[in-house]
Amino acid sequence: GGIITQTPKFLIGQEGQKLTLKCQQNFNHDTMYWYRQDSGKGLRLIYYSITENDLQKGDLSEGYDASREKKSSFSLTVTSAQKNEMAVFLCASSISGGPNTGQLYFGEGSKLTVL
Amino acid sequence: GDSVTQTEGQVTVSESKSLIINCTYSTTSIAYPNLFWYVRYPGEGLQLLLKVITAGQKGSSRGFEATYNKETTSFHLQKASVQESDSAVYYCALGDRYVGDNSKLIWGLGTSLVVNP
Repeated sequence: GGIITQTPKFLIGQEGQKLTLKCQQNFNHDTMYWYRQDSGKGLRLIYYSITENDLQKGDLSEGYDASREKKSSFSLTVTSAQKNEMAVFLCASSISGGPNTGQLYFGEGSKLTVL
Repeated sequence: GDSVTQTEGQVTVSESKSLIINCTYSTTSIAYPNLFWYVRYPGEGLQLLLKVITAGQKGSSRGFEATYNKETTSFHLQKASVQESDSAVYYCALGDRYVGDNSKLIWGLGTSLVVNP
């Protein structure tokens, strides 16, 4: 089996600060995702990438940048953290298409707090 | 638009009792929905519990079952006898069979199951 590792697990930043979350997977999956989860809301897709150096915007991409320099890693940057922002960011990976459609593998999440 | 509605908040059940977590979906753009239940156990990442891609079919895993009912647009999660180890957060999700990159997954808000010994 494989694993998805997100770092850091907890991230505290100041308003206006640029903050970066990192994700590593050893499944050798092509596609990786970043979701945001707010209390009382479902998972919302921020960015995804279907292969190395590819980036696709999700529904919530404004205010974020992403980078996929290697197949195994996918990073997300909050370009200017907003005060009182608190959310959990989830990284996931999957094989695209075929019978595995919809089967995502998730990391444990990174919790962001902005002071 | 597309949406998923599931039992809100927390559900508390005594061990060995039966469980049902409701999930209904609505879609205007997905001709062939795929339906999923994901689970998040304490200290772990979200993981797929079961999936069904054909209307009328039932999926099962770890004693849980869910039937894809196209007429009622529902995909309720059931278990006949829960265990304390089933305590977790359960998410219903809707996908599009023809969107292979999974970029169109629609998620419910999650239902927290607490099983009391």
